[in-house]
Amino acid sequence: EVQLQQSGPELVKPGASVKISCKTSGYTFTEYTMHWVKQSHGKSLEWIGGINPNNGGTSYNQKFKGKATLTVDKSSSTAYMELRSLTSEDSAVYYCARGGITTALYYYAMDYWGQGTSVTVSS
Amino acid sequence: DIVMSQSPSSLAVSVGEKVTMSCKSSQSLLYSSNQKNYLAWYQQKPGQSPKLLIYWASTRESGVPDRFTGSGSGTDFTLTISSVKAEDLAVYYCQQYYSYPFTFGSGTKLEIK
Repeated sequence: EVQLQQSGPELVKPGASVKISCKTSGYTFTEYTMHWVKQSHGKSLEWIGGINPNNGGTSYNQKFKGKATLTVDKSSSTAYMELRSLTSEDSAVYYCARGGITTALYYYAMDYWGQGTSVTVSS
Repeated sequence: DIVMSQSPSSLAVSVGEKVTMSCKSSQSLLYSSNQKNYLAWYQQKPGQSPKLLIYWASTRESGVPDRFTGSGSGTDFTLTISSVKAEDLAVYYCQQYYSYPFTFGSGTKLEIK
């Protein structure tokens, strides 16, 4: 069974950084792209970026360049997203979501999602 | 960026009724080389993560009830629920995966009368 288990809620101060994890199981981690999605309270979904766990190659939404950094640890089948210089605008729930196979020529929908990690930025 | 527009923003229906919701993209999502539409539908129930319902505009994800049907091509897409159940209470989002950055619609909130 494919599972994406995210780290717990975070309360961080303005200007600080936070690193969220997404531990996977049930499939070969390096074979599928991992995406990250933001959902502000009561709002829609925003794609932050995606990472190829096999080679670490990344693609970012221009809006989140400089804000988010995506990395992976292949040894533990875990994806990470670090958010820096946090402001109240970054308070949201963040999801990791599995995309298509990394060797595909085309993009794919996101078929498995983590449970979400709530980040609250407050002094 | 491709802009995704959904309508209506919300609708209230009775159990057993048929529901249709619309999603329009600012450019075609039909890829000529494989004739696939790069459009997905997700269901997000209160307090839960989004769940993939439909991909390639009309392919039902494994385990999704057949009362959910996706249709459309190019820039105009529809999600139909043939006979709504109380458990279908959720927000439904469309998403294009034709090109980066992936983009989502603003969602259609389905309420049960």
